[in-house]
Amino acid sequence: EVQLVESGGGLVQPGGSLRLSCAASGFTFSSYSMNWVRQAPGKGLEWVSYISSSSSTIYYADSVKGRFTISRDNAKNSLYLQMNSLRDEDTAVYYCARGSRRTGVDYWGQGTLVTVSS
Amino acid sequence: AIRMTQSPSSFSASTGDRVTITCRASQGISSYLAWYQQKPGKAPKLLIYAASTLQSGVPSRFSGSGSGTDFTLTISCLQSEDFATYYCQQYYSYSWTFGQGTKVEIK
Repeated sequence: EVQLVESGGGLVQPGGSLRLSCAASGFTFSSYSMNWVRQAPGKGLEWVSYISSSSSTIYYADSVKGRFTISRDNAKNSLYLQMNSLRDEDTAVYYCARGSRRTGVDYWGQGTLVTVSS
Repeated sequence: AIRMTQSPSSFSASTGDRVTITCRASQGISSYLAWYQQKPGKAPKLLIYAASTLQSGVPSRFSGSGSGTDFTLTISCLQSEDFATYYCQQYYSYSWTFGQGTKVEIK
């Protein structure tokens, strides 16, 4: 069974940093590209970042470019999102999402809440 | 970025109704279109990918159609568990983009 479990969310002040993690199991992690998708409270879904299976290709949404860094450790079956210079508008549930060119996102984690507030 | 526009934003329906949600892309995306269902407090769930392919385990009352810029999601006979918010998403190019969502409520 595919499982994606996020952790690392919490309350942080504007300008602060946070690192999210996603532990993957139930599939060959090193064979799949991965994404982070977020959802602000009461709002729709927003794609945040993509990383290819070998980490050779990385993309970011304009809204986070230069502030967020995606990475992965295939030996540990883990995906990460380093978030710096956080803003109020980054407040959201962040989902780890397995993606492919064939299906879009086929599996989602349960999400971790990031709250940016003073 | 490719803009995805869903309609309607919300509507009320009754169990047993046939319902259709539309999604329009601001430029052609071939068939790189997925539909997701989301219930309150839960992660989205993939229903349909490649515009019309039903994800494994999804009931056959869900169907999708379209290509290029215009797409539809149809629920042939609405069940109580189908009251939720539905999102379309293009994965033709990064940045991936989602529609704003369509909330299906009980009449």
